[in-house]
Amino acid sequence: DVKVTQSSRYLVKRTGEKVFLECVQDMDHENMFWYRQDPGLGLRLIYFSYDVKMKEKGDIPEGYSVSREKKERFSLILESASTNQTSMYLCASRPTLGGGQPQHFGDGTRLSIL
Amino acid sequence: AQSVSQHNHHVILSEAASLELGCNYSYGGTVNLFWYVQYPGQHLQLLLKYFSGDPLVKGIKGFEAEFIKSKFSFNLRKPSVQWSDTAEYFCAVNDDYKLSFGAGTTVTVRA
Repeated sequence: DVKVTQSSRYLVKRTGEKVFLECVQDMDHENMFWYRQDPGLGLRLIYFSYDVKMKEKGDIPEGYSVSREKKERFSLILESASTNQTSMYLCASRPTLGGGQPQHFGDGTRLSIL
Repeated sequence: AQSVSQHNHHVILSEAASLELGCNYSYGGTVNLFWYVQYPGQHLQLLLKYFSGDPLVKGIKGFEAEFIKSKFSFNLRKPSVQWSDTAEYFCAVNDDYKLSFGAGTTVTVRA
């Protein structure tokens, strides 16, 4: 069974801080994704990575960056946290881009920016 | 880019009632369609998926969905819900490299 592990379930940070959210998958998947989940908006894609050191912007990349130095790990970085980045953040992975394969999700990190 | 509409924001049912959740996507061509469920405090799990072939697909926990190409729809159904079906349900469409999600429907089942 695929395991996607996010480093924290709950995180509280202050405005202006640099925040790191970590995600690790154990199935050697090529593709990894970061979403944010907000009530009434569903899931919105922030960034994705289709291979090590490769990244692409999603629908809402502003204020975020990512890092993928190793295949199993995909980090989301909030360069200077703001209160409008308070949200639930979900990491996902899947084997490859093609064929509409389903994504596997982590438990999520609920981030509060004060 | 695809947009996905889920018709209901919140649905409240009694146990043993039938459930149908609507989902429409914005444009045609080859699509891969998914329903995910998120139980309280848990991660998103795949309920079922449609790639091709029989437009009526069966998933886990007694759920099924019907793909109607002419209506750009992929509605989720369950004939008889249980209290444990209380969750948030998301429809998603494969949109090139990514999934486009609907806003979600919260389903509350009363015992």
